Amino acid sequence: AQKVTQAQTEISVVEKEDVTLDCVYETRDTTYYLFWYKQPPSGELVFLIRRNSFDEQNEISGRYSWNFQKSTSSFNFTITASQVVDSAVYFCALSEGDSGTYKYIFGTGTRLKVLA
Amino acid sequence: NAGVMQNPRHLVRRRGQEARLRCSPMKGHSHVYWYRQLPEEGLKFMVYLQKENIIDESGMPKERFSAEFPKEGPSILRIQQVVRGDSAAYFCASSPMDSNYGYTFGSGTRLTVV
Repeated sequence: AQKVTQAQTEISVVEKEDVTLDCVYETRDTTYYLFWYKQPPSGELVFLIRRNSFDEQNEISGRYSWNFQKSTSSFNFTITASQVVDSAVYFCALSEGDSGTYKYIFGTGTRLKVLA
Repeated sequence: NAGVMQNPRHLVRRRGQEARLRCSPMKGHSHVYWYRQLPEEGLKFMVYLQKENIIDESGMPKERFSAEFPKEGPSILRIQQVVRGDSAAYFCASSPMDSNYGYTFGSGTRLTVV
């Protein structure tokens, strides 16, 4: 069965520290998609990244980077030089490409607190 | 280009009343998804609709919940005879044909049942 695990419930760091948010997934499909979303205190969901199962290249976008490793079924998210504005709940999600319905399975989220 | 619009942002209902949540997808998007986020939890899929069709309602509770996406107008998630356990944030998302490029979510409707 498909599943997304975000084992870190809450992480606190001091501003300018680097932080990695872990995401481990389970799926039987060979085609699937992985996502990260940010939910700031205001409550909306902000799309950060999409990755398909055939592209294991790591990605960097400014202070954000993502490490996709199929061998360990992980899709970890690193914030470099964290800032207070990064404080939010971060969700990892999985969509199975063969299901035909494109529904997402979300992890339970990691609450990141960046302290000034 | 307006994003996904959900209204109301906040909704308070007494137990036993009906709740109607509206979602207007992004222009050009014909696929709509509803998710529920219980307090301190992740989002759970409820239903996937295309215009005038329910494609997948495997996440919808069997009773009291219904959804529609008519040819004209917004998608509606309807909860009849609300109970305290229905208190949650309800998010709508929309996508064009290939939704695996990533949904665009609305800002959510926070339902409180008193």
